[in-house]
Amino acid sequence: NAGVTQTPKFRILKIGQSMTLQCTQDMNHNYMYWYRQDPGMGLKLIYYSVGAGITDKGEVPNGYNVSRSTTEDFPLRLELAAPSQTSVYFCASNQDTSRSTGQYFGPGTRLTVT
Amino acid sequence: GEDVEQSLFLSVREGDSSVINCTYTDSSSTYLYWYKQEPGAGLQLLTYIFSNMDMKQDQRLTVLLNKKDKHLSLRIADTQTGDSAIYFCAESKDYGQNFVFGPGTRLSVLP
Repeated sequence: NAGVTQTPKFRILKIGQSMTLQCTQDMNHNYMYWYRQDPGMGLKLIYYSVGAGITDKGEVPNGYNVSRSTTEDFPLRLELAAPSQTSVYFCASNQDTSRSTGQYFGPGTRLTVT
Repeated sequence: GEDVEQSLFLSVREGDSSVINCTYTDSSSTYLYWYKQEPGAGLQLLTYIFSNMDMKQDQRLTVLLNKKDKHLSLRIADTQTGDSAIYFCAESKDYGQNFVFGPGTRLSVLP
């Protein structure tokens, strides 16, 4: 299993540009998440999904959109990039009954908006 | 509320024990976790403890949970340079899908 994969690893955007961060998992997990990590601030939940076709907002959803058309994929869309969205973005997944395994994380996407 | 707090930095000498502390405010948390993040990588689960346990040991790792004080600690015995990383404490409940993370403790292991 590849686990959770994310692309791209790095990206620089200009203010106002759009992009999609890709996330794929091959573990047949129902639950998927997007977090952002700012220095010294831990992880903040942006959006999550409990299964294909179902998404819900987390703590910091403004400026982002998600979709979940398949179990495997959970892309995160930034429509009008702003400097405040400069961060490291992590995708994670877990099976709904396996809390003892915690979450599986991707390697992250480092995004800079200038 | 759901706040998880950790000190941001810890330095220890190679071979010593490291103790990383965490406090949480939500007494309804069911699982508490420790994750390790190495530079440029995602988080990896190190260990977890269920809320009805006081202690869990896994090789060099010992997790202690004090539910009364809402305090969780991770002890790493015989700390090695490869243990240098950021360690995150996290909690979750048995309902909903919210995992709440602390800010992370950067552990530096000095030779």
